[in-house]
Amino acid sequence: AQSVTQLGSHVSVSEGALVLLRCNYSSSVPPYLFWYVQYPNQGLQLLLKYTTGATLVKGINGFEAEFKKSETSFHLTKPSAHMSDAAEYFCAVSYQAGTALIFGKGTTLSVSS
Amino acid sequence: DAGVIQSPRHEVTEMGQEVTLRCKPISGHNSLFWYRQTMMRGLELLIYFNNNVPIDDSGMPEDRFSAKMPNASFSTLKIQPSEPRDSAVYFCASSLPPKNYEQYFGPGTRLTVT
Repeated sequence: AQSVTQLGSHVSVSEGALVLLRCNYSSSVPPYLFWYVQYPNQGLQLLLKYTTGATLVKGINGFEAEFKKSETSFHLTKPSAHMSDAAEYFCAVSYQAGTALIFGKGTTLSVSS
Repeated sequence: DAGVIQSPRHEVTEMGQEVTLRCKPISGHNSLFWYRQTMMRGLELLIYFNNNVPIDDSGMPEDRFSAKMPNASFSTLKIQPSEPRDSAVYFCASSLPPKNYEQYFGPGTRLTVT
């Protein structure tokens, strides 16, 4: 079965520091890749997506992610963390438009001043 | 534009009672998904519809769960009878394939079964 692995259930950074959240998928077929963010007691909001084309994709709030086929990875980064980035982040994949997303377990990002 | 609308936002019920969760997808979207989020299992698909037709219901836990989509603008998820282990946050999401691959999520319904 296809799966998504997010390394580190909890990541802590200082304000202004680099944010790196890791995501790997298990598939020989490149999937469509997504990062979602969830703030407390809210739904999931799309941060960015990769479907085809440029492997470095930019999203909202200064986040970006790079699709590396050889590493089956789609890590999320942000050069400088802000207190408002504290939330839970989910990596997800799908293999066909209109089908369900397969989610990782999520990574909680904490940002300290 | 209105996003995905879910109601109620919170539901507290006693074991054995019937629970109905409601979802209105984004206008024009033709795919609708029901997910459940728990601490133990994370986010998992329950069922999804394309053009109002159920495509994959393999994630529905058991016969106590049922879902319908009578038209393009409304879906329900029913649990009868409810059990404490059904306590979770239930999300509805919609999308518009093949134009868009991403799914847009509603705010969720937090269900507590006592």
